[in-house]
Amino acid sequence: GNSVTQMEGPVTLSEEAFLTINCTYTATGYPSLFWYVQYPGEGLQLLLKATKADDKGSNKGFEATYRKETTSFHLEKGSVQVSDSAVYFCALSDHQGAQKLVFGQGTRLTINP
Amino acid sequence: DTGVSQDPRHKITKRGQNVTFRCDPISEHNRLYWYRQTLGQGPEFLTYFQNEAQLEKSRLLSDRFSAERPKGSFSTLEIQRTEQGDSAMYLCASSRLRQGGWDYGYTFGSGTRLTVV
Repeated sequence: GNSVTQMEGPVTLSEEAFLTINCTYTATGYPSLFWYVQYPGEGLQLLLKATKADDKGSNKGFEATYRKETTSFHLEKGSVQVSDSAVYFCALSDHQGAQKLVFGQGTRLTINP
Repeated sequence: DTGVSQDPRHKITKRGQNVTFRCDPISEHNRLYWYRQTLGQGPEFLTYFQNEAQLEKSRLLSDRFSAERPKGSFSTLEIQRTEQGDSAMYLCASSRLRQGGWDYGYTFGSGTRLTVV
């Protein structure tokens, strides 16, 4: 079945550091890929998405590129801020039936001033 | 558009009691999903509706769980005879399936945190 593996956390960085959170997936066919962010006490918010190979999703300074050859969708940001502290989830969805999301286990990110 | 609303935000119940959660999706969204998120894990799919029809249920959804979406609007998730293992965050999400394809990306509610003591 489909699955997503995320870099284990927690991750702690200083403000303005470079961020990478690794995500790899296993899926049949060509799924759509997503990064969701969850702030404390809140639901999941879509951060960015990519729907086909080589697509780059971007939002709020975050980027991720759909790499079919390495089955990866790593999240990057060039200069993190304290406000980026949250839990980040990589997810995939196929294009069949329920189009349900399959999530990774999440990576908790803490940014120190 | 006020997003996806879930009620209550928190619920503490004694083992063996029944609980019911409500989700109000975005009004023009025809698909509604329930997910469960346990501590330190990503959400897991439970079930989904397209309009009022429940089209898929996960194996995670035991016989003690039932979900409804009357008239294709709000949805309820009921858990009967709760167990400590049911303690989790229950997330509702909605999306729009249009002719020609999926409107990518769900909108999630803030969730209902259930604690069974």
